[in-house]
Amino acid sequence: DAGVIQSPRHEVTEMGQEVTLRCKPISGHDYLFWYRQTMMRGLELLIYFNNNVPIDDSGMPEDRFSAKMPNASFSTLKIQPSEPRDSAVYFCASRRLAGEYNEQFFGPGTRLTVL
Amino acid sequence: AQSVSQHNHHVILSEAASLELGCNYSYGGTVNLFWYVQYPGQHLQLLLKYFSGDPLVKGIKGFEAEFIKSKFSFNLRKPSVQWSDTAEYFCAVTYNNNDMRFGAGTRLTVKP
Repeated sequence: DAGVIQSPRHEVTEMGQEVTLRCKPISGHDYLFWYRQTMMRGLELLIYFNNNVPIDDSGMPEDRFSAKMPNASFSTLKIQPSEPRDSAVYFCASRRLAGEYNEQFFGPGTRLTVL
Repeated sequence: AQSVSQHNHHVILSEAASLELGCNYSYGGTVNLFWYVQYPGQHLQLLLKYFSGDPLVKGIKGFEAEFIKSKFSFNLRKPSVQWSDTAEYFCAVTYNNNDMRFGAGTRLTVKP
């Protein structure tokens, strides 16, 4: 398996522009997570899905952020409009339902810079 | 609220020194415990995990961790660190098989 795939790996945009981050989880995984990592705030959980359904989006910072999972193999995180304080590394992770397979596998991350 | 605490923000050691990184979690039912490592510029990778059984868990690269239920702790240890262990280490907990909560991370710098 190729692991969790994220694109793009790097994104540089100007303030006010729309940004879309993409994630392909590991095949067969039931959960998908979006995290944001910054020096100031560490690793924050933004939202997670179970079987394509959003379960907890309490970590989404503002209405400018939205996430979708139209099917089991694809998810997007959108920021519209983007602001400089959104600059961070965004990680996607996935895992199976429970039990011995509770480990989360992380993607390589998307480094977002908003100018 | 359920939370994970890592006591050390930044640890600096010389090569061959012993390492212990603290992790405590708040009570919240059935827990699974993890340590992840993030090397500079890379994503998080699993070092080791605890689900049940022997509370002393051995992971990759000579790391181990001990689950002490009475203390709500899951400290990470390594008897002799190497320069290549320089990274950020995250303790994580899942409560009742739900979302994974991470500690703030501990940055380890190993001086050659």
